[in-house]
Amino acid sequence: EAGVTQSPTHLIKTRGQQATLRCSPISGHTSVYWYQQALGLGLQFLLWYDEGEERNRGNFPPRFSGRQFPNYSSELNVNALELEDSALYLCASSARVVAGAYGYTFGSGTRLTVV
Amino acid sequence: RKEVEQDPGPFNVPEGATVAFNCTYSNSASQSFFWYRQDCRKEPKLLMSVYSSGNEDGRFTAQLNRASQYISLLIRDSKLSDSATYLCVVNPPDKLTFGTGTQLKVEL
Repeated sequence: EAGVTQSPTHLIKTRGQQATLRCSPISGHTSVYWYQQALGLGLQFLLWYDEGEERNRGNFPPRFSGRQFPNYSSELNVNALELEDSALYLCASSARVVAGAYGYTFGSGTRLTVV
Repeated sequence: RKEVEQDPGPFNVPEGATVAFNCTYSNSASQSFFWYRQDCRKEPKLLMSVYSSGNEDGRFTAQLNRASQYISLLIRDSKLSDSATYLCVVNPPDKLTFGTGTQLKVEL
């Protein structure tokens, strides 16, 4: 069974640009979660999508947005990039009915560097 | 107060030692609890769930104290390969909330 896949693995952008990160959940999982992990910091919850809708949002500015597609894959968009957006962005998936109850499986992440 | 608090460490222990990590959480409505392991520059991986009655998986034992709102992880006979950051994770529910992690370094 394929795990959670994320692309690209690395992304380098300049300040002010936009970044798009992609995630494909485990087959059968309808919930996708996005987390940010800045260097030396813990995982910060960004967004939760389920059945195509945004269900919850962390304490991040509106320039962090995303969507979930009918096949349950997801995109995270970061507009007007700032240097402090440099981080590892992790996507996780779970089955909706028990969202979170059995933990998440994470993808290997996209490392975004803003220069 | 942070939702999930952990001692960041690092905990430097000799191989074969027993080491314990504690974690406290603030949301009394939390329903699920986990320990994750994260190796340097890798994604977190589920180590074990934590049940009210306590549970064991080989050298690892997890305990939950709902009254005091803390979770613990005990590692016995530590191996060099146990060196990693251990993340305490709580489900409030609706999303998993991660502690900042406790770094463990097992040395020869």
